[in-house]
Amino acid sequence: NAGVTQTPKFRILKIGQSMTLQCTQDMNHNYMYWYRQDPGMGLKLIYYSVGAGITDKGEVPNGYNVSRSTTEDFPLRLELAAPSQTSVYFCASSYRWIETQYFGPGTRLLVL
Amino acid sequence: QQPVQSPQAVILREGEDAVINCSSSKALYSVHWYRQKHGEAPVFLMILLKGGEQKGHEKISASFNEKKQQSSLYLTASQLSYSGTYFCGTEVTGNQFYFGTGTSLTVIP
Repeated sequence: NAGVTQTPKFRILKIGQSMTLQCTQDMNHNYMYWYRQDPGMGLKLIYYSVGAGITDKGEVPNGYNVSRSTTEDFPLRLELAAPSQTSVYFCASSYRWIETQYFGPGTRLLVL
Repeated sequence: QQPVQSPQAVILREGEDAVINCSSSKALYSVHWYRQKHGEAPVFLMILLKGGEQKGHEKISASFNEKKQQSSLYLTASQLSYSGTYFCGTEVTGNQFYFGTGTSLTVIP
């Protein structure tokens, strides 16, 4: 039982490049979330999903896109990377809405 | 909309107690507490639902005052392993969830 896994662990992007952050959970959770955490700050919700095929915006969705084709996977897409997107990205999942979220190890992204 | 936590940072000696406060400007459905150690992912501690309940988790407990839109986390007889940054998370109307500003807790021998 791996829990929540994220790839890659670290990535450097040039301004304007695009990339997909991968997130997979093996706990059969319906709810999945993407957060970003800027240095020394709290986490901010980017997008969430309540099940396969259903996603919705969180507090800071601009510049990101998500999809949820399976229960297990919830990828986060950055289309045109900007320096403001330099952050640590955490994926999380839960059995019930927002309760007891299990977090992945995070992806550290640097946009130069 | 982001809840405000106080204090921002606290240093304790082993065995001392601490209180971390979380205050929101919005009506709350629930309050959640997480601890994050440096370079790691946040780990869930507890959740408090509307009703003013108090919950405990070994020597860590919390209260929720829904009228004041506030929650407090109580750490009793602190241990070195309690060091980390504590975040409250608040569930508000419209399926929105906000983490707080964080409180850095350092326990020294």
